[in-house]
Amino acid sequence: ILNVEQSPQSLHVQEGDSTNFTCSFPSSNFYALHWYRWETAKSPEALFVMTLNGDEKKKGRISATLNTKEGYSYLYIKGSQPEDSATYLCALIANTGNQFYFGTGTSLTVIP
Amino acid sequence: DTEVTQTPKHLVMGMTNKKSLKCEQHMGHRAMYWYKQKAKKPPELMFVYSYEKLSINESVPSRFSPECPNSSLLNLHLHALQPEDSALYLCASSQPRGEYNSPLHFGNGTRLTVT
Repeated sequence: ILNVEQSPQSLHVQEGDSTNFTCSFPSSNFYALHWYRWETAKSPEALFVMTLNGDEKKKGRISATLNTKEGYSYLYIKGSQPEDSATYLCALIANTGNQFYFGTGTSLTVIP
Repeated sequence: DTEVTQTPKHLVMGMTNKKSLKCEQHMGHRAMYWYKQKAKKPPELMFVYSYEKLSINESVPSRFSPECPNSSLLNLHLHALQPEDSALYLCASSQPRGEYNSPLHFGNGTRLTVT
């Protein structure tokens, strides 16, 4: 089992603040990296699929970057809104098979 | 609404019971997954089926028995579970890694309580 770490574990921000969090993974096992948003009482929903070193993806106010050589990805949220409150999970797709290895998640709470 | 349907949503079972969790998708995905998720922990991979064949079993105890009757269905048969098996069981599907770099599509999960 591969070690995928996310930090911080939880985060509380005020509405309108921008924030970011980190996903770290073993670079030697990299095939692809996914980001998911998991809202309470719903199923995890894919945000980004990232495959190339230097990838930058954007979806509205949310964006992500990828550094495969050093083994990390950042997720940024600009101008946080209460509806952004969720747990954000990253998942490493290993180059050894069809496994998705999830990080521990960052729980974001946006305070109105 | 999720495109992956899991039933039941909630299940309470005794340690001597036999029950099954069901998962269905109609997106044409050829890889299906069972994950177990406990509070404040990441989803933990249990099984992967690729083209209806079991490709990964992450050392899961034999009291959990997966079955993939066809490309749209995935079952998880439960027998003689322990209270520590209580968790949220998530089903997911995707294209196999070699075909597309597609994300996982999750169901809403089955909340299992073993008494």
